[in-house]
Amino acid sequence: DTEVTQTPKHLVMGMTNKKSLKCEQHMGHRAMYWYKQKAKKPPELMFVYSYEKLSINESVPSRFSPECPNSSLLNLHLHALQPEDSALYLCASSQGIDRERYEQYFGPGTRLTVT
Amino acid sequence: EDQVTQSPEALRLQEGESSSLNCSYTVSGLRGLFWYRQDPGKGPEFLFTLYSAGEEKEKERLKATLTKKESFLHITAPKPEDSATYLCAVQVGSGGGADGLTFGKGTHLIIQP
Repeated sequence: DTEVTQTPKHLVMGMTNKKSLKCEQHMGHRAMYWYKQKAKKPPELMFVYSYEKLSINESVPSRFSPECPNSSLLNLHLHALQPEDSALYLCASSQGIDRERYEQYFGPGTRLTVT
Repeated sequence: EDQVTQSPEALRLQEGESSSLNCSYTVSGLRGLFWYRQDPGKGPEFLFTLYSAGEEKEKERLKATLTKKESFLHITAPKPEDSATYLCAVQVGSGGGADGLTFGKGTHLIIQP
């Protein structure tokens, strides 16, 4: 099973709202990722968690706040977003540091619209 | 700066017409090269990982190859259901495998019946 689940599938929020995106995997993976994908563009890395610790932050604005409560869950907390933040937000996971395989498995994404 | 370039940007083929997609890369310390398939509005679906020059992987009508500068995704006798955007990505870095992927812009493939 190589399934990564994400909720919600769609989210519409105003610029003053606070919302959260959720991601879950049960593959025993120890690395989890957030990517942002704009229309007709490739995914761009936002954050990497390795063994529940934030290891990479690609200079993402503070209105995006990641959280990794345990090895299976990854959240992305959103606050005071701008319309240009509208995109498909993708979660991914991989086995982790110094494992045999490095491929990342992606969830279906959350389509976010900021009004 | 790491660069990944895919060509062509778009490709339209007749059903059964074989072809190849190209991914050229300029990176230091390649850890792995990955191919993904992405359907509209969905997350990328993992296809192949290639780790070293000369490596080849096959899955149904798809075959991926790797040299020191580029990778090819060969599609043999494609069917309409193979229509999708094919993304190439590289992983570099010292994170022991927990590093982000750098993607190319993708090849939008359309297979006409």
